Amino acid sequence: AQSVTQPDIHITVSEGASLELRCNYSYGATPYLFWYVQSPGQGLQLLLKYFSGDTLVQGIKGFEAEFKRSQSSFNLRKPSVHWSDAAEYFCAVGAFSGNTPLVFGKGTRLSVIA
Amino acid sequence: KAGVTQTPRYLIKTRGQQVTLSCSPISGHRSVSWYQQTPGQGLQFLFEYFSETQRNKGNFPGRFSGRQFSNSRSEMNVSTLELGDSALYLCASSGPGAGGPVEQYFGPGTRLTVT
Repeated sequence: AQSVTQPDIHITVSEGASLELRCNYSYGATPYLFWYVQSPGQGLQLLLKYFSGDTLVQGIKGFEAEFKRSQSSFNLRKPSVHWSDAAEYFCAVGAFSGNTPLVFGKGTRLSVIA
Repeated sequence: KAGVTQTPRYLIKTRGQQVTLSCSPISGHRSVSWYQQTPGQGLQFLFEYFSETQRNKGNFPGRFSGRQFSNSRSEMNVSTLELGDSALYLCASSGPGAGGPVEQYFGPGTRLTVT
């Protein structure tokens, strides 16, 4: 069965510092990978996705992620964090079409300090 | 294009009651999925509907049910509410795709509190 692990429950970074959120997945077939962000009291917003092709994908809000098949990882990065990036971040693995549900990691809560 | 909408946004119910939550997908999207989000269990898949048919179901008891209408709007129902059903219920819609992977777009959720 597929699974997603986000090893860091909570990360605190200073505003302007770089950020990397880790995600490891276990999936029997070709994975399709997503990062979502959730602000307090809100739903999930799609940051970026990887389906195929270039393993470095760009997303919204200045985020990028790199797919590394050999490490079963899909880490999210941002070169300079803004206070508004404070939120919960979820990595998810999905399948070929919409009839297989997304499997989510437990999430990483990001705090940003001045 | 309007996003996924969910009503109501907040709900307080008593143990033993039942509740119905509603979800309107993005226009043109025919797939609607429901997820339960709790601090302890995270995001867990409930079920997915496509063209009024349930295509997938998660590991939840039969008290949790859903349906989809011809206009793709979906409802989920929870009967005989338990305290543990308190959660944020998220609906997500996705487009038909072209035989390939699709991303899901989420609504703001319905916060259900069972007392």
